Amino acid sequence: SAVISQKPSRDICQRGTSLTIQCQVDSQVTMMFWYRQQPGQSLTLIATANQGSEATYESGFVIDKFPISRPNLTFSTLTVSNMSPEDSSIYLCSVGRDRQETQYFGPGTRLLVL
Amino acid sequence: AQSVTQPDIHITVSEGASLELRCNYSYGATPYLFWYVQSPGQGLQLLLKYFSGDTLVQGIKGFEAEFKRSQSSFNLRKPSVHWSDAAEYFCAVGVGGFKTIFGAGTRLFVKA
Repeated sequence: SAVISQKPSRDICQRGTSLTIQCQVDSQVTMMFWYRQQPGQSLTLIATANQGSEATYESGFVIDKFPISRPNLTFSTLTVSNMSPEDSSIYLCSVGRDRQETQYFGPGTRLLVL
Repeated sequence: AQSVTQPDIHITVSEGASLELRCNYSYGATPYLFWYVQSPGQGLQLLLKYFSGDTLVQGIKGFEAEFKRSQSSFNLRKPSVHWSDAAEYFCAVGVGGFKTIFGAGTRLFVKA
């Protein structure tokens, strides 16, 4: 498994501002992922962040809105830009491990945009 | 199209009763199958996974799941539910390249 931490754990932000979420892993991993979980919903993959390459975004998510950094094998950030109330969600990072493609999740960042 | 269906949005069981949460998937090959649990205010914790071999897999917290290829199902079971099991449960399918598709989730309520 992996021990994953996220900062901040929660935040309340004003519309139009940006928030950067950090994800730290206790060991080196190649693949990191960012998910969004809207209230009462399941998880939706935002992007895959591999070290040394540009993040790969899923349909409906764009780099200008959700820029991602992956400076090394244990750390990644997701920025939620120009926020609106619709961005109120839980944002989770995960890492991919083992050949069975198991994902391990961080505790999530709970974001409320007013 | 690849999909995961959890037909029960919520389930209520009495403490000590048995539990079965249903999961069906749509995928052309045998996928990797997972069950995750999300307690209130928490992230997702892996309960168990199936990738090959014995179709009955054991997980943490006394949970087990059975893969039935003919039914494209991967139902989660527990013989005796504890109040601490109240949470949201997600079935997920790995379809390659670490791409994981999650079901909508089933919220479990446990009554005394």
